[in-house]
Amino acid sequence: QLQLQESGSGLVKPSQTLSLTCAVSGGSISSGTYSWSWIRQPPGKGLEWIGHIYESGTTSYNPALKSRVTISVDRSKNQFSLKLSSVTAADTAMYYCARGNEDQLLYYFDYWGQGTLVTVSS
Amino acid sequence: DIQMTQSPSSLSASVGDRVTITCRASQTIFSYLNWYQQKPGKAPRLLIFAASSLQSGVPSRFSGSGSGTDFTLTISGLEPEDFATYYCQQSYNSPRTFGPGTKVEIK
Repeated sequence: QLQLQESGSGLVKPSQTLSLTCAVSGGSISSGTYSWSWIRQPPGKGLEWIGHIYESGTTSYNPALKSRVTISVDRSKNQFSLKLSSVTAADTAMYYCARGNEDQLLYYFDYWGQGTLVTVSS
Repeated sequence: DIQMTQSPSSLSASVGDRVTITCRASQTIFSYLNWYQQKPGKAPRLLIFAASSLQSGVPSRFSGSGSGTDFTLTISGLEPEDFATYYCQQSYNSPRTFGPGTKVEIK
């Protein structure tokens, strides 16, 4: 059974960089036609896709966040990471990592991490 | 970006009721529409992909239909564990966007 587990700083100061890692177990990040995504959810609000990466290193980002986001992959550790720079209080959210299962335009998130809450505050 | 809307934003229902949630896309997305269930404090769970395909392990009381811009999620015979928030998500293009959610509460 594939499992994803987020880790990283839970409290980040305004203007600093949020850094999170998603460890994948029960399967290889390099197998199959999958992408690896970050999705966030502000408290009491809906879901926002941040971006994804393929095991090749190819990325795609949400244009609303593109200037501040970097997603990277470490195949040797079977994990991928998120960096979000110049954070503000609006970036306070639960951050989830998820696997994107793809077949041409068919794309759905079939495995999710439990989420990690990141608070932006001084 | 493709905007997704859902109606209603919340509903109250009883165990055993048939519940229908609607999702609408701002442009055609053909059948590239997925549905998720989220319980408080938990990650979303995939229920339906490609508008009507049931994800493995999901009870058959959940069904999806629709194409183009209008879609529905139906729960035939609400169970106590189905009280949750439901989100639709389009995969026709990037960025992947979600609807605002429909909260199903106990009457």
